[in-house]
Amino acid sequence: GNSVTQMEGPVTLSEEAFLTINCTYTATGYPSLFWYVQYPGEGLQLLLKATKADDKGSNKGFEATYRKETTSFHLEKGSVQVSDSAVYFCALRRGDYKLSFGAGTTVTVRA
Amino acid sequence: GAVVSQHPSRVICKSGTSVKIECRSLDFQATTMFWYRQFPKQSLMLMATSNEGSKATYEQGVEKDKFLINHASLTLSTLTVTSAHPEDSSFYICSARRGTFQETQYFGPGTRLLVL
Repeated sequence: GNSVTQMEGPVTLSEEAFLTINCTYTATGYPSLFWYVQYPGEGLQLLLKATKADDKGSNKGFEATYRKETTSFHLEKGSVQVSDSAVYFCALRRGDYKLSFGAGTTVTVRA
Repeated sequence: GAVVSQHPSRVICKSGTSVKIECRSLDFQATTMFWYRQFPKQSLMLMATSNEGSKATYEQGVEKDKFLINHASLTLSTLTVTSAHPEDSSFYICSARRGTFQETQYFGPGTRLLVL
């Protein structure tokens, strides 16, 4: 079946550090892939997405590339800020617009 | 942007009682809403898909008589946890999708349910 495996947290970084969160998936076909972010006290928000192989999604300095050969969609940001502290979820879109989520990775950025 | 609200944000109830959670799309019409459950430090688990004006479709293993879903209008879906027990304590999250061919889901902030 379709599933997502995400690196476990928590991750603690200093400001301006490089962030990477690994995400791999198992799926039939080529599903759309997403990263969602949940800031404290708020609902999940779409951060970026990619719909086909080699697509790169980007937003707010974050990037992720859809790698078919490694079935991965790793999230990266070159220089994090305190405001990036949140929980990050990798997800794939199953049939009929349903989403399968990874377990979430808590990221804390310290000033 | 698209805003989805949930009410209440937190509820504590006694075992055996029923609890209703509302999910509203505030600035768009949602043809489809989804209900998720999240356990501590675990992923969101899809419980059911709710389409306006029709019966909800439940994921395998989710008791439809336990978790009643009503999607009476294009802006409101409700989840009722009937005869709640401590094992139903969890974080319940809804999301809404605007339009038949829209891929993006907009999420509510979640409802924390504690059953004593």
